[in-house]
Amino acid sequence: DSGVTQTPKHLITATGQRVTLRCSPRSGDLSVYWYQQSLDQGLQFLIQYYNGEERAKGNILERFSAQQFPDLHSELNLSSLELGDSALYFCASSERLAGEYNEQFFGPGTRLTVL
Amino acid sequence: KNQVEQSPQSLIILEGKNCTLQCNYTVSPFSNLRWYKQDTGRGPVSLTIMTFSENTKSNGRYTATLDADTKQSSLHITASQLSDSASYICVAGWGTDKLIFGTGTRLQVFP
Repeated sequence: DSGVTQTPKHLITATGQRVTLRCSPRSGDLSVYWYQQSLDQGLQFLIQYYNGEERAKGNILERFSAQQFPDLHSELNLSSLELGDSALYFCASSERLAGEYNEQFFGPGTRLTVL
Repeated sequence: KNQVEQSPQSLIILEGKNCTLQCNYTVSPFSNLRWYKQDTGRGPVSLTIMTFSENTKSNGRYTATLDADTKQSSLHITASQLSDSASYICVAGWGTDKLIFGTGTRLQVFP
């Protein structure tokens, strides 16, 4: 158990809908990262927050947005969902903002299925 | 273009045997090289992290090597166990805190 929690575990929805994925980082970790893993693809970095502020953006679509709240939990909002958005969405947390040994701890993921 | 390539895509071995997984990376500026283990349907778990100045790092039966000159890394698993069945992901770190993930090698260990 990494100490990172994600809810829900599974989510099934229809095209055009909007969903919110939730992540609680490990106690004391200030950085939160969101990743998307499609079938047989490597993890794709979406976005990073550090202590409530956006710090880095990856291949995140404009239909997707995220935020980190004062209690450090984070939410990833996915809107106007398309079939291609079906994937595993992982949240990871780390203690620091950056660094060579800045280890990221991954949550169990949310499996999103868009029908 | 920053990328990480892993080989083989999949591997089947018998319990107790050793195996080596390969990783080639192209990132700039290179910072660190990580190996993760990902069980099916679960989040990746870190095995090793090496900076460019480190050649090898071990974590139990897992030993990672790094050749920053040739931009290659390997993960050697000794005396494999059934619980080693998983995907092994090579990750190259670059810049301040950016990571590029490979697509993984799917390892199956049979009794």
